[in-house]
Order: sequence, then structure tokens, then C-alpha cells
Amino acid sequence: QVQLVESGGGVVQPGRSLRLSCAASGFTFSSFPMHWVRQAPGKGLEGVAVVSYDGSNQYYADSVKGRFTISRDNSKNTLYLQMNSLRAEDTAVYYCARDQSGNWNSFDAWGQGTMVTVSS
Amino acid sequence: IQMAQSPSSLSASVGDRVTITCRTSQTISNYLNWYQQKPGKAPKLLIYAASTLQGGVPSRFSGSGSGTDFTLTISSLEPEDFATYFCQQSYNHPYTFGQGTKLEIK
Repeated sequence: QVQLVESGGGVVQPGRSLRLSCAASGFTFSSFPMHWVRQAPGKGLEGVAVVSYDGSNQYYADSVKGRFTISRDNSKNTLYLQMNSLRAEDTAVYYCARDQSGNWNSFDAWGQGTMVTVSS
Repeated sequence: IQMAQSPSSLSASVGDRVTITCRTSQTISNYLNWYQQKPGKAPKLLIYAASTLQGGVPSRFSGSGSGTDFTLTISSLEPEDFATYFCQQSYNHPYTFGQGTKLEIK
């Protein structure tokens, strides 16, 4: 079955870096665009970044542009989010999600999420 | 693209019919998706392309609309439907979400 498992979250000081990973299984990872979506405590959902199926194209939310980098390794079936210059407002649960692009780009599979807390 | 979802919260009883609306700041054809989220869990896709039910989703859920105005309707609430619902436009990057509607038991 389709499975996405995030890892790498934790507590980090403002200005520091963190790298999240999302291990995919149960489907042909290299065929799907992939997203990172975050949710601050008690808040709504925010799309953070997307990468095309082959890694050649990326798009970022304005709130993270220049600080976060999304990438993927199709040989390892893994999605990454490198987060630099972290701020308190980056505190959130981070989800990876599969974009079933043929079905109006909807997100049909999500990981369980990994919590990132930015605090001194 | 800005999303305006309403109401932000809603109290209803089992068996009630409820409707949630989502309006976008520009036309998005039918690139509108609905998700359900329960506390501590990841969102779950309910409807894509404004009105197409994702596999395994009960038929009491339905969606409609195109252009800028969309609705999610639950025809007869079941206990497991009490959750938070989000709309999402997937027409233009960045794909944006509505603020959410928390559906609570009356």
C-alpha cells in the first residue's frame, strides 16, 4: 500500500538548520510530483514547496523562498526539505504529500507528519 | 489565489445536512479539492475536481461548483464526520488552502 513516512523533525534554535526526509513506498515514486505542507499549532494548512517528478522544477511559498530547498532522490524513493535560517514562525507539523497530477493535482496520500519546533 | 472558506465553525447533529462553501479570488475552473482532517491526523482527500469523489469516500459527501464558487455538502451526518474540512485550489502554484471549517457536534 502507499506509504509516506516523514522524519527529521525536532527542536531547533532560531537561525539554525534542519533537514526533513520523507520515505515513500508502495508506488512508483518517480512518477509523481511531491509536496511539503505544514500546519502551525491550531492553524490551517500551508503549502510550503513542490518538486516535479524528476526533480527538475521546484516552487516555493513566499514565506520560505530563499531559506528552504525541496529535493528528491528517486533512486532512494525519498523526498527532502532542507530548512535553513529557521524562524519561530516555521514551527509546525510538516507533512509530505503525493500529488496525483492526473487527477486535478489533488493530494491523495499524506505522511503522518513530523513536528518542527523553532525555539531558543 | 486567495481562498475564503465559510463558515469557520459549524455545530450540527447526527443526521443533519450541512454545506460548506469556498470562494476563490480568481477563476480556477474546477481545480478545487476538499480534505477532511481529524485531530492529530493527516488530512484525507475527499473530493477532487470540485465534484469527483475519491475512492472509498462515502456517497453522503458531494461537491459542486466551478469558476470561483464551490460547495461541499454532507447529506446526512454520521458521528465519524465531525472533523475539520479544508478546500484547496490546485490551479496555480502555490496551491492554497481555505482556512478550514470545524464541524462540531451540537
